[in-house]
Amino acid sequence: AQSVAQPEDQVNVAEGNPLTVKCTYSVSGNPYLFWYVQYPNRGLQFLLKYITGDNLVKGSYGFEAEFNKSQTSFHLKKPSALVSDSALYFCVPRAAGNKLTFGGGTRVLVKP
Amino acid sequence: GAVVSQHPSWVICKSGTSVKIECRSLDFQATTMFWYRQFPKQSLMLMATSNEGSKATYEQGVEKDKFLINHASLTLSTLTVTSAHPEDSSFYICSARDLTSGTNTGELFFGEGSRLTVL
Repeated sequence: AQSVAQPEDQVNVAEGNPLTVKCTYSVSGNPYLFWYVQYPNRGLQFLLKYITGDNLVKGSYGFEAEFNKSQTSFHLKKPSALVSDSALYFCVPRAAGNKLTFGGGTRVLVKP
Repeated sequence: GAVVSQHPSWVICKSGTSVKIECRSLDFQATTMFWYRQFPKQSLMLMATSNEGSKATYEQGVEKDKFLINHASLTLSTLTVTSAHPEDSSFYICSARDLTSGTNTGELFFGEGSRLTVL
């Protein structure tokens, strides 16, 4: 079974400061992990994924995530947050049959 | 990335009527599409898996006669909310996978969502 935990319901950060959205996973076999972002009243946009290879994954809009097997984590990071990064972020494991099972996500609020 | 289009983006209907939502993969083919439902300030709940040319697979607790899914082609899946009631009001989102991205590693692409309000 695949599952993730995003321990923070909301993250507040000042514009220009580093942004981190935490995610820990529990998967059987090789983990396929994705980060998606949802802006208000919009669908989801793909940010990045880890399948195999380099532990540091670079994605869209300046985001990156580091896969850490020993800590079973896949935290999303951005060196300098923008107000426009305010959104709902989902860390999602990929299950069999290409299903994505969503947790509650983390709401990011970047203040000017 | 690949584009998934949903239509309509919002719809208001009277109780008892049926509403159809379309999900199209614009620049790729998708044998499988997924339909999600999202309540305000909540996560996405997978409703069903839509399979081109065959019956949809519904998640536990989702009424198949209430939420009719048809996947008639490799680029189109439709969700019909039959005899809609106010409790069916929600944000419905579809997603699809680009076949060229591989069987197990391709990311899913999401539509912009359709907000249904039943009066």
